[in-house]
Amino acid sequence: TQLLEQSPQFLSIQEGENLTVYCNSSSVFSSLQWYRQEPGEGPVLLVTVVTGGEVKKLKRLTFQFGDARKDSSLHITAAQPGDTGLYLCAAGRGSARQLTFGSGTQLTVLP
Amino acid sequence: GAGVSQSPSNKVTEKGKDVELRCDPISGHTALYWYRQSLGQGLEFLIYFQGNSAPDKSGLPSDRFSAERTGGSVSTLTIQRTQQEDSAVYLCASSPDRGLGYTFGSGTRLTVV
Repeated sequence: TQLLEQSPQFLSIQEGENLTVYCNSSSVFSSLQWYRQEPGEGPVLLVTVVTGGEVKKLKRLTFQFGDARKDSSLHITAAQPGDTGLYLCAAGRGSARQLTFGSGTQLTVLP
Repeated sequence: GAGVSQSPSNKVTEKGKDVELRCDPISGHTALYWYRQSLGQGLEFLIYFQGNSAPDKSGLPSDRFSAERTGGSVSTLTIQRTQQEDSAVYLCASSPDRGLGYTFGSGTRLTVV
């Protein structure tokens, strides 16, 4: 059972465009994280959100955790080729330390 | 060390052979996790170690898979009698006692031929 669904699965855009990727579940999570992974490397943590409705900004990236803590979105403004990578959301449940990962959104930003 | 170190970075093995994958976590991180990632996909949880507690092995796909963590530091994931479906990138991560975020290693790409 896939507890976290990410959409779109693939996204190819031109440099300078804006984009949003989504992470959805029917379950409530205690925390949600976003990672970015480049080929041949492990995922790198971008942000952690824990409060329903929370919004965090990291330069051109804006992360939002849904009010009910069941969904999240990542918005990138003025995408650059360096943003290319696999974006993964990951959620924690209750007191469990291990995370459940979504299947990822493969983003390609063309120059 | 400064980061999570995994070795080897690549491993090609024949079907039926045993393999050992090593993970050296960040010094002082009490939690250590193993995940498996198939090509371009999300991560599948395998096993989790927290301090001296019994590990959570709920994600191990079969009894051919086992892992240990010695002295609360280095961990070894062992796959016995490898099968072609075991081919994947095996990722190790560690986190501090009160932290939510993981630091991942670069992974071991296992290919079973």
